[in-house]
Amino acid sequence: KQEVTQIPAALSVPEGENLVLNCSFTDSAIYNLQWFRQDPGKGLTSLLLIQSSQREQTSGRLNASLDKSSGRSTLYIAASQPGDSATYLCALVDYKLSFGAGTTVTVRA
Amino acid sequence: KAGVTQTPRYLIKTRGQQVTLSCSPISGHRSVSWYQQTPGQGLQFLFEYFSETQRNKGNFPGRFSGRQFSNSRSEMNVSTLELGDSALYLCASSPLEANNEQFFGPGTRLTVL
Repeated sequence: KQEVTQIPAALSVPEGENLVLNCSFTDSAIYNLQWFRQDPGKGLTSLLLIQSSQREQTSGRLNASLDKSSGRSTLYIAASQPGDSATYLCALVDYKLSFGAGTTVTVRA
Repeated sequence: KAGVTQTPRYLIKTRGQQVTLSCSPISGHRSVSWYQQTPGQGLQFLFEYFSETQRNKGNFPGRFSGRQFSNSRSEMNVSTLELGDSALYLCASSPLEANNEQFFGPGTRLTVL
């Protein structure tokens, strides 16, 4: 069974600071890894998908890295804004998504 | 392109009743998956459908069932509702295989009283 861990569970930063969100997994024989954002009571918004053959993926202020040998992925959000406040989830992708518990981020104005 | 839609958005039922939730995937997407989200268990996989066939199933009791239609729309049904079935039910669609990028709908909030 794939175990996905996200630490810390919650994070509070001042506006403008760069965010670093961690995701670790036990099974290195993964297919792909996907990062999501979830606002309270809402569905999941896909942020980035990293193919298993890639080491990183970028979209605007977001950059995600993948290191299969160490079982880690990191999501970087540059110059955080209050609108970035949400819960961020990572998920291993094969026939299903195996999710971590998420990191809840608060960006203080 | 319209996103994944789910209906209804909110439901209140009582124990013992049954409920049907609907999901319309992004146009052209053939894979539809269902997830249950609760504060205690997080996001858990229910099942995945592709071209009207259930390909994969999570570890849920038989009270949870689903189906997919020829237009890729999917429904899930929960019979004999229990209090613990209260959750946010999320549907995700994907273009081809399930290990492609997944796109989620807004969810259906089910409350069982």
